[in-house]
Amino acid sequence: DQQVKQNSPSLSVQEGRISILNCDYTNSMFDYFLWYKKYPAEGPTFLISISSIKDKNEDGRFTVFLNKSAKHLSLHIVPSQPGDSAVYFCAATPFQAGTALIFGKGTTLSVSS
Amino acid sequence: DSGVTQTPKHLITATGQRVTLRCSPRSGDLSVYWYQQSLDQGLQFLIQYYNGEERAKGNILERFSAQQFPDLHSELNLSSLELGDSALYFCASSGTPPWNEQFFGPGTRLTVL
Repeated sequence: DQQVKQNSPSLSVQEGRISILNCDYTNSMFDYFLWYKKYPAEGPTFLISISSIKDKNEDGRFTVFLNKSAKHLSLHIVPSQPGDSAVYFCAATPFQAGTALIFGKGTTLSVSS
Repeated sequence: DSGVTQTPKHLITATGQRVTLRCSPRSGDLSVYWYQQSLDQGLQFLIQYYNGEERAKGNILERFSAQQFPDLHSELNLSSLELGDSALYFCASSGTPPWNEQFFGPGTRLTVL
């Protein structure tokens, strides 16, 4: 049973517009959430994270929103750039430092110019 | 560059064989994690070591084993290989605040023929 779900396998967006990637989780023990970006033939690269004590975290063009009651988080990329085209993975872990990450299956983002 | 190195990059072998994948964590990181990514799947946690000791186990088969050496590098041993073991194997490390963020190596692509 998948504990972290990314229900959209792919997303296409025009350059300059907003990209919204969604993630749902089922385990109420999850307290820390991360987004990773992955290019082909490379390992996942950490992008941004959020703790459950917050509902929003921003880093430049990237913002993550967390709705704990709905067990839902989203990653907003504004403005989207062609270099953002990659697979984005949502991951979660209990807020116990140094524990394994539980990943979703990923969403492939394509940004066209 | 995440600072995590993995060798080899590619490995092609036959069913029934045994292989060893190697990982060197970022300088100073004490935790090493191994993940498997099969086709169309997210990353599945296999096993974690912390400062030389096994810390957590995920969906790791009995045919697979790992260890972490005094210099903190880690090896993942896969034996009696089957076709279904073909996958990308990633190593990640963590150990500096915030400890939940893991940094991934480029992966080893294993092909079992």
